[in-house]
Amino acid sequence: EAQVTQNPRYLITVTGKKLTVTCSQNMNHEYMSWYRQDPGLGLRQIYYSMNVEVTDKGDVPEGYKVSRKEKRNFPLILESPSPNQTSLYFCASSHRVRGETQYFGPGTRLLVL
Amino acid sequence: KQEVTQIPAALSVPEGENLVLNCSFTDSAIYNLQWFRQDPGKGLTSLLLIQSSQREQTSGRLNASLDKSSGRSTLYIAASQPGDSATYLCAVIAAGNKLTFGGGTRVLVKP
Repeated sequence: EAQVTQNPRYLITVTGKKLTVTCSQNMNHEYMSWYRQDPGLGLRQIYYSMNVEVTDKGDVPEGYKVSRKEKRNFPLILESPSPNQTSLYFCASSHRVRGETQYFGPGTRLLVL
Repeated sequence: KQEVTQIPAALSVPEGENLVLNCSFTDSAIYNLQWFRQDPGKGLTSLLLIQSSQREQTSGRLNASLDKSSGRSTLYIAASQPGDSATYLCAVIAAGNKLTFGGGTRVLVKP
């Protein structure tokens, strides 16, 4: 089954404790990205990757890091989480061809105390 | 900077009525427009993708139109059912495959 998976689905942590949210897709997509969703602010792009070893900032990259060492995986790293990073996070992927349908993961709900 | 607006923010209709959801965007330089459905606490499910060269796209009871020159898209859902209750999001795709989302329309279909 074609899918985008994220782990963990739910996470409670404390300020400053490094964490990683994994994202994996099995559709051989070149393009992957991370979004966060907040009430009243909607969905905003954090980082994206056009292919292996190619990443770039989205609209709200502060406080986040990403890496793309393999085509299927695109982890989101919070080196020192803060309460304002409490949010619902989504990973998405698509083929690199312009305008392809984007597929979303199920989301990771993060609470930073 | 691209801005996407969805009006109304919430909509309540009786079962069987047709739904009309609106989406407007400020920059017409888009590759395509995608409509999503999101259930509470869940991920996004892609409903329809309209290429910038297309005027409309249909899937079952869903029909989406696109008028790129005026910066508008409309999602029609025929003969609504309680299972259609969800938040509907539109997003435009531009350079870099980046999605810019609207704020969504929360739909409630009453039995």
